[in-house]
Amino acid sequence: ETGVTQTPRHLVMGMTNKKSLKCEQHLGHNAMYWYKQSAKKPLELMFVYSLEERVENNSVPSRFSPECPNSSHLFLHLHTLQPEDSALYLCASSQELTSAGELFFGEGSRLTVL
Amino acid sequence: EDQVTQSPEALRLQEGESSSLNCSYTVSGLRGLFWYRQDPGKGPEFLFTLYSAGEEKEKERLKATLTKKESFLHITAPKPEDSATYLCAVNNAGNMLTFGGGTRLMVKP
Repeated sequence: ETGVTQTPRHLVMGMTNKKSLKCEQHLGHNAMYWYKQSAKKPLELMFVYSLEERVENNSVPSRFSPECPNSSHLFLHLHTLQPEDSALYLCASSQELTSAGELFFGEGSRLTVL
Repeated sequence: EDQVTQSPEALRLQEGESSSLNCSYTVSGLRGLFWYRQDPGKGPEFLFTLYSAGEEKEKERLKATLTKKESFLHITAPKPEDSATYLCAVNNAGNMLTFGGGTRLMVKP
């Protein structure tokens, strides 16, 4: 495995379900990110982790809960989502937080909330 | 608040027809401007970093330039495989990226 891998690639869930998105990076990077990409809107930064510590929570609703158990893995736990949360969720990594502009993205998890 | 505006939203070109994409920005303490390419169903792929006005970077048919208020991505003699959405982003003093809405480029053979 190389680069940044995300699972699942597609997820359909009801508003009362609980699910998790997983991200793994094989690049030896120290910073990891969750971004949300909705139709017709720019990429939105959700969470930033540096060396497993959260350094940014960009006013994200509490129904999204991130977890970073080590510098290679990042999770996004989802519960009681709303239909407007349907989007492409992208994980990314960078060498360090100071190189946050040169991101390596995964292919994303396409989430549909019914 | 940092802002990034990309134009046009969509651009259709014939193969070989050169053109430019625009990225206008306002940012407090620019620490870099970045261009990405995104193919349908995939995550963005990093292309270029520009740090200061007057700087230029090239890769194959693409050339990125930077002024104090905007950046251009020039595409010379594009091919159908250059079709993608091109994203621009700026990095501020807080090391957080702000992305523009992107330009969807379609190159017809």
